[in-house]
Amino acid sequence: IQMTQSPSSLSASVGDRVIITCRASQGIQNDLGWYQQKPGKAPNLLIFAASNLHSGVPLRFSGSGSGTDFTLTISGLQPEDSATYFCLQDHSYPRTFGQGTKVDIK
Amino acid sequence: QVQVVESGGGVVQPGRSLRLSCAASGFTFSNYGIHWVRQAPGKGLEWVATISYDGSHSYYADSVRDRFTISRDNSKNTVYLQMSSLRTEDTAVYYCAKFLLPTDASLGNWGQGTLVTVSS
Repeated sequence: IQMTQSPSSLSASVGDRVIITCRASQGIQNDLGWYQQKPGKAPNLLIFAASNLHSGVPLRFSGSGSGTDFTLTISGLQPEDSATYFCLQDHSYPRTFGQGTKVDIK
Repeated sequence: QVQVVESGGGVVQPGRSLRLSCAASGFTFSNYGIHWVRQAPGKGLEWVATISYDGSHSYYADSVRDRFTISRDNSKNTVYLQMSSLRTEDTAVYYCAKFLLPTDASLGNWGQGTLVTVSS
C-alpha cells in the first residue's frame, strides 16, 4: 500500500489552521496513524485509528478520514508544533509511511 | 513508566553483521508486539520489521527480508534485530516502538534510537 502525503512542507502563522493529507493507494478502512517528529528526536504518536487522539496530545490536533483519504488538522498552530508529521498505514504488512510534511512557523 | 531502549548500534563494514537490542520496562512485555523503524540521515521513516507478543509471527520490509531477523526473549524483556549482509543503504537511526495496546499495533512508545553506520 502506497501512502501519498501532501504537502511536503508548509509555513504557517501562529493561530492558523493547518491541514495535512494522506492518500492510500487502496482502501485501509480507518487503519491510519499520525506521528510528530521534532529534529533529533524520536517520533511521537498523535492520532491512532484515523481519529483517536493519543493520551496527552493537545486537543488542537485532530484526525479524520476513512478508506483512502485522511487528514490531520492542527486548529490554532502553536510555536511548539514546528515539526515533521508522518502518516502510517497499519492496515496490512508491510507497513508504509507517508513521505512527511515539514511544518514551519512564519 | 513505559520505556523502550535501543542499543547495539555502531560502525560496521558492508557485508558484516550487527545485532540491535530493544530493552523494555514499565509494562507487561509479553503482551505487546514490537516494531523496528529506521530513518536514514535526512530522510523519512521506514518501517523495518514487527514481531508479535509471543514471537510466533514476524513481518519484514522487502528491503530487509532474508537479511534481517527479528526475535524476542520474553524472559529478558528484550527484542532483537539481527542484521546481516549489511549494505551502505542500511545506514540509519533504528528505533524500536511498542504496540499502543495488545490489540492495537500503532507505535505507541518509541525509544531514542540507535545509529547504525555501514561504511568501509
